[in-house]
Amino acid sequence: EDQVTQSPEALRLQEGESSSLNCSYTVSGLRGLFWYRQDPGKGPEFLFTLYSAGEEKEKERLKATLTKKESFLHITAPKPEDSATYLCAVHSYSGGGADGLTFGKGTHLIIQP
Amino acid sequence: DTEVTQTPKHLVMGMTNKKSLKCEQHMGHRAMYWYKQKAKKPPELMFVYSYEKLSINESVPSRFSPECPNSSLLNLHLHALQPEDSALYLCASSPTGAEAFFGQGTRLTVV
Repeated sequence: EDQVTQSPEALRLQEGESSSLNCSYTVSGLRGLFWYRQDPGKGPEFLFTLYSAGEEKEKERLKATLTKKESFLHITAPKPEDSATYLCAVHSYSGGGADGLTFGKGTHLIIQP
Repeated sequence: DTEVTQTPKHLVMGMTNKKSLKCEQHMGHRAMYWYKQKAKKPPELMFVYSYEKLSINESVPSRFSPECPNSSLLNLHLHALQPEDSALYLCASSPTGAEAFFGQGTRLTVV
């Protein structure tokens, strides 16, 4: 069974204070690892897909990296509008077909002005 | 365009009611999904449709009944729900069966 663990559960930063969120995973065969941002009461917003160890993706103040056991979401000089819950999810080889995603519990990020 | 549209945005229903949630995407994606999300929890997979055929049903109670009328539409029919079924119901679609693009969800309250 696929497992995804995110840490920390919650993180409070000052505006401009860079940090990293962690996502560790255990899967039978990774087809893809995904990062989403979710605002309260809204659907998750797709951020990144990572497929293989060593891969990196960037978007504005966010950078996602992947190793064989974990992924990091680095946030550089965050702004208050970056406050949200960040979800990590995996898609694995579990019989083929259009399988769904397995999500971690998320990191609730608060950026204080 | 990565838009998945869900209606209604909010729904309040009694335990004896029958209602339906609707989802639409016009991106030509081959897979569509229903997820359920309780407060402060991650989304949990309920149903997967691939090429309009149900491929995964994650042991969801029969009071939830999915339907995929065509490649752009996905419905979730609700009947005899319980208060513990109150949650945010999310529809998603995927071009490859991997990365998923989510709608804004339907906030369901069962009274």
